Amino acid sequence: QQQVRQSPQSLTVWEGETAILNCSYEDSTFNYFPWYQQFPGEGPALLISISSVSDKKEDGRFTIFFNKREKKLSLHITDSQPGDSATYFCAASRDQGGRALIFGTGTTVSVSP
Amino acid sequence: GALVYQYPRRTICKSGTSMRMECQAVGFQATSVAWYRQSPQKTFELIALSTVNSAIKYEQNFTQEKFPISHPNLSFSSMTVLNAYLEDRGLYLCGARTGGNERLFFGHGTKLSVL
Repeated sequence: QQQVRQSPQSLTVWEGETAILNCSYEDSTFNYFPWYQQFPGEGPALLISISSVSDKKEDGRFTIFFNKREKKLSLHITDSQPGDSATYFCAASRDQGGRALIFGTGTTVSVSP
Repeated sequence: GALVYQYPRRTICKSGTSMRMECQAVGFQATSVAWYRQSPQKTFELIALSTVNSAIKYEQNFTQEKFPISHPNLSFSSMTVLNAYLEDRGLYLCGARTGGNERLFFGHGTKLSVL
């Protein structure tokens, strides 16, 4: 059973548009949600994260919106750039430091110039 | 800054042989190290979580007999894939964090191909 789900599987946007990536989870005890960005041939790099006590986290062009009641979150990439083309993974864990992350299936974003 | 190095980056081994991969944390103390395998379809499988001074916890479908892990100090961990076969192919990722900090830093991974 996939504990962390992502949609869409792939997404194409034009340069300057906003890309919206969705994530949902099953376990209500998850309380930490990082998003990772991965380029081909590389390991995943931490992009932005949110804890369950917040409903929004912003870092530059990247914003996480979190709905605890519905167990959903989304990553918005505003003013998308070709360099944002990558696969984005939503992940979740239950408590600080003690548990490994559970990763979603990823959304591959392509930004066309 | 916190960095995680993995080596080798790529390796090819013959079916039935074993290969060892290493993970080095630089700039922070890796009190916990999580080993993952990423399939060609990009899905992540957690292999095991190693915390210094605690027993290594393996996930279902992964065993110490197949994937022995060493985590001897706060900057180094290694994992061996014993008796590798085609189904063991993938990108093996080491993620390290400092105790009490949720941030997990990954290396570039070791890509294992099996002939």
